[in-house]
Amino acid sequence: SQQGEEDPQALSIQEGENATMNCSYKTSINNLQWYRQNSGRGLVHLILIRSNEREKHSGRLRVTLDTSKKSSSLLITASRAADTASYFCATDTGGGNKLTFGTGTQLKVEL
Amino acid sequence: EPEVTQTPSHQVTQMGQEVILRCVPISNHLYFYWYRQILGQKVEFLVSFYNNEISEKSEIFDDQFSVERPDGSNFTLKIRSTKLEDSAMYFCASSEFGTGLSQPQHFGDGTRLSIL
Repeated sequence: SQQGEEDPQALSIQEGENATMNCSYKTSINNLQWYRQNSGRGLVHLILIRSNEREKHSGRLRVTLDTSKKSSSLLITASRAADTASYFCATDTGGGNKLTFGTGTQLKVEL
Repeated sequence: EPEVTQTPSHQVTQMGQEVILRCVPISNHLYFYWYRQILGQKVEFLVSFYNNEISEKSEIFDDQFSVERPDGSNFTLKIRSTKLEDSAMYFCASSEFGTGLSQPQHFGDGTRLSIL
């Protein structure tokens, strides 16, 4: 798989349910970041987790990082219709000042 | 909250023409980036810029591309002779420090470039 691949590619849930998205990557990282993209808009930074961290919370978001498995997950609890968007993980390998983005998960939260 | 602004939001250009995409990064940020997203595909890194020079560029960023910080506020991406495959959404981003300090990057809303 390529650096930064999310699954599922698409996820449809009912409002109030939790949404879990996964990201796998191949090389060692300095940190991993999650971004949201509403249709036709830019990327909005959600949360950053460093390679020495295992879990991080921000509001309704919970991110985990397992560097031994080279994977991360993003959990959105009590989802709302406004959470409908594409979610991307992005890895920072610590050199070159660049992010490598994954393929994204399209989340649809229905009323 | 300060934000990255990009102009224009949509640019239509004939193949072979030069195009300049403009960005105003967040004022106290020192690192600047361009990414692109071809419709339905991943966001791809193009170039990063710090202290008035390129710090890294991808294979996509060939001799047709250039970046410039012409004054204290703007950051531009120039494509010298556009090709059909340059059609994409181009995103500018900035960060206060480089990736070595684990900084988030702040993105603009993008410029949709359509090459005819």
